[in-house]
Amino acid sequence: AQSVTQPDIHITVSEGASLELRCNYSYGATPYLFWYVQSPGQGLQLLLKYFSGDTLVQGIKGFEAEFKRSQSSFNLRKPSVHWSDAAEYFCAVGAVSGGYNKLIFGAGTRLAVHP
Amino acid sequence: EAGVTQFPSHSVIEKGQTVTLRCDPISGHDNLYWYRRVMGKEIKFLLHFVKESKQDESGMPNNRFLAERTGGTYSTLKVQPAELEDSGVYFCASSQADTPKQYFGPGTRLTVT
Repeated sequence: AQSVTQPDIHITVSEGASLELRCNYSYGATPYLFWYVQSPGQGLQLLLKYFSGDTLVQGIKGFEAEFKRSQSSFNLRKPSVHWSDAAEYFCAVGAVSGGYNKLIFGAGTRLAVHP
Repeated sequence: EAGVTQFPSHSVIEKGQTVTLRCDPISGHDNLYWYRRVMGKEIKFLLHFVKESKQDESGMPNNRFLAERTGGTYSTLKVQPAELEDSGVYFCASSQADTPKQYFGPGTRLTVT
């Protein structure tokens, strides 16, 4: 069955520190992969996506993610975290459904940033 | 370009009552999706419209939930009668034809007491 695992429910980092949020997926074919962020009181915003090609993808707000097929992973990284990055982050895989795509989400990782 | 909008932003109802959530997708987006996040768990797919047709409703929890998309524009999701376990945040998303990139609305927080 298709699934997404985000092993870390909560992560706390200091402002300026580096960040890596883990995501593992289970999917039978080459997946479409996404990272979304939800800030307090806001909707889901797309940070970045991987469809094909270069396995290192750049996103908004200085985030990047690397697709590693051998590890079934799509970890999100940022070299220096800002206080405004405090939010909940969701990894998702696009599952083909009748020729289109529904998203299967992980449980989310809530990021806290200490000054 | 306006994004996906949802109404209301928050609804509090009593068990047994009816609630209707509305989603307005981005103009021109044929695909419309409903998702739900319950009790801090993962966001789960409910159903998918292509224009006015239901493409996939495999995630709908039971027959208390009814989704419509008349005319292929906005969509409504009705819960009747509401139960306590229906509490959560209901997200709507839309996408253009033949692309997996979905744009999400801000969500409707439903509280059933």
